[in-house]
Amino acid sequence: QQQVKQSPQSLIVQKGGISIINCAYENTAFDYFPWYQQFPGKGPALLIAIRPDVSEKKEGRFTISFNKSAKQFSLHIMDSQPGDSATYFCAASSLLWETSGSRLTFGEGTQLTVNP
Amino acid sequence: EAQVTQNPRYLITVTGKKLTVTCSQNMNHEYMSWYRQDPGLGLRQIYYSMNVEVTDKGDVPEGYKVSRKEKRNFPLILESPSPNQTSLYFCASSLSGSGGLYGYTFGSGTRLTVV
Repeated sequence: QQQVKQSPQSLIVQKGGISIINCAYENTAFDYFPWYQQFPGKGPALLIAIRPDVSEKKEGRFTISFNKSAKQFSLHIMDSQPGDSATYFCAASSLLWETSGSRLTFGEGTQLTVNP
Repeated sequence: EAQVTQNPRYLITVTGKKLTVTCSQNMNHEYMSWYRQDPGLGLRQIYYSMNVEVTDKGDVPEGYKVSRKEKRNFPLILESPSPNQTSLYFCASSLSGSGGLYGYTFGSGTRLTVV
């Protein structure tokens, strides 16, 4: 049972365009939503994260939008660049159980290709 | 350099031959975990450890074993590998807690093929 569902599976964007990746979750106990970026041959690395007390968080060209009522969150990459080509994973966890076994649950991943 | 080191990077083995994938971190992190990555399924947790001598099952623990005798090391053991364990494996660590608030640091991965 996939608790975090991610779409699309793959995405092709032209340089300068906006990349949008969507995630939906089921567990209402989730209260921490990070995004990880993975380049070929590397492990995933934390990109940006949001808590549900805000609806949006922006870091440079990367923005997370969060809709608590819909149980959805998304990653927007503005002015996409070829160097952004990577696999992106959304994830969710419950920090309430941070010290007693809560864990990050990852989405299926989105392979982003930004064409020059 | 702060890092999680996995070995080997690539491994081809035969069904039933016991193997160990090593994982070591140099950041004094309490939390360590193993994930497998499969196309269309994302990252799924195999086992995790909150601290030395404290381990627990993740979402897909069948066919795997782990141990945490030292804080820095968290090896993954496949007692009798089968072809359905062919996958890309990642070890991850975190400063404390398991929810990822401090970010997970991942190793570079081990690509395992079981024939």
